[in-house]
Amino acid sequence: EPEVTQTPSHQVTQMGQEVILRCVPISNHLYFYWYRQILGQKVEFLVSFYNNEISEKSEIFDDQFSVERPDGSNFTLKIRSTKLEDSAMYFCASEELVAQYFGPGTRLTVL
Amino acid sequence: AQSVTQPDIHITVSEGASLELRCNYSYGATPYLFWYVQSPGQGLQLLLKYFSGDTLVQGIKGFEAEFKRSQSSFNLRKPSVHWSDAAEYFCAVAAANNDMRFGAGTRLTVKP
Repeated sequence: EPEVTQTPSHQVTQMGQEVILRCVPISNHLYFYWYRQILGQKVEFLVSFYNNEISEKSEIFDDQFSVERPDGSNFTLKIRSTKLEDSAMYFCASEELVAQYFGPGTRLTVL
Repeated sequence: AQSVTQPDIHITVSEGASLELRCNYSYGATPYLFWYVQSPGQGLQLLLKYFSGDTLVQGIKGFEAEFKRSQSSFNLRKPSVHWSDAAEYFCAVAAANNDMRFGAGTRLTVKP
């Protein structure tokens, strides 16, 4: 069964560094999402992406964040200058018929 | 905007007992409703979804949920819980092609 994949599974970085989190959505899906989950807290929406552009974003998704679909398969989330509070699990999802299917997540640790 | 409330932060049930996890939503139109399960250190797995039609929906792993518009609820049920069901359960509501809003989650502990 097709599934969403994410790499790396765990990323450790220094505060102020740039990170790129990668996702490969399910191949025939058209809508893509990024969410984050700070340890012990609820899953929070970051951004949705359709037709090569952002369709919606939350207040969390500020100028430090960007998303890109550089080719036909990858969907990336870039954090330009990481802060300590960016430490969280980041989940990618792709959507078919409204239902969103999530990847296993990337644990980002900012030191 | 849509929102979800899961009133129970933590529920403990005995193995073999029945389970009901509560979910209440707020949304102006007919919502799309979901239940996800998250095991420790894992991603979110879709258990079931409701879009329209029959208000009782069946999902994977023996779970079902019932949409009650009059109560703005979408409670998750299972007749007999297994130890492997111990996990965090999230209810979510979405508009079409829109961001999904999650509840705070209910942690399920299963006693032997």
